[in-house]
Amino acid sequence: AQKVTQAQTEISVVEKEDVTLDCVYETRDTTYYLFWYKQPPSGELVFLIRRNSFDEQNEISGRYSWNFQKSTSSFNFTITASQVVDSAVYFCALSEGGGYQKVTFGTGTKLQVIP
Amino acid sequence: SQTIHQWPATLVQPVGSPLSLECTVEGTSNPNLYWYRQAAGRGLQLLFYSVGIGQISSEVPQNLSASRPQDRQFILSSKKLLLSDSGFYLCAWSVQGPYEQYFGPGTRLTVT
Repeated sequence: AQKVTQAQTEISVVEKEDVTLDCVYETRDTTYYLFWYKQPPSGELVFLIRRNSFDEQNEISGRYSWNFQKSTSSFNFTITASQVVDSAVYFCALSEGGGYQKVTFGTGTKLQVIP
Repeated sequence: SQTIHQWPATLVQPVGSPLSLECTVEGTSNPNLYWYRQAAGRGLQLLFYSVGIGQISSEVPQNLSASRPQDRQFILSSKKLLLSDSGFYLCAWSVQGPYEQYFGPGTRLTVT
């Protein structure tokens, strides 16, 4: 069975600080996909990134970066120089490969960036 | 480009009343479609998913049902709402396969 754990329920940082959101996953498959989504106060989830199990390269997109480590089953998300607009709930998710597969979401981390 | 619509945006319904939430997707064909519920301050609970017209899979036994009468239309229904049905309902779509999902704006349902 697949499982996603986001141990940090809520995080508060002061604007311009860096912050890392942790995500630990469990799966028995060798082929799987990891995702991050952002849910701002408006409620609509926004897709941020997908990473497949064969690609351990870290990715950077502007102030966002993702660190994928299969050895520790982690897919952590770092926001550099945080801004108030980054305040949201962030969800990590996992889908096992092959045909239709249910996506398992973590419970989310609420990030509050204080001006 | 693809867009996903959900309506209504908010809804207040009395206990025992029926429910119909609609979701439509534009700009893509044969998508996977999903209904999720999010209770206040909680994570996402997958309710139903569909890989094609008339093909509905239920993840959680409850008094809700879903239908997919057309390729890009997904409907969530209930004959009699319960207080516990209150929540934020999100519709999503993805291409066939284990890929990212794109979410609609959601419907906030309050059952009184």
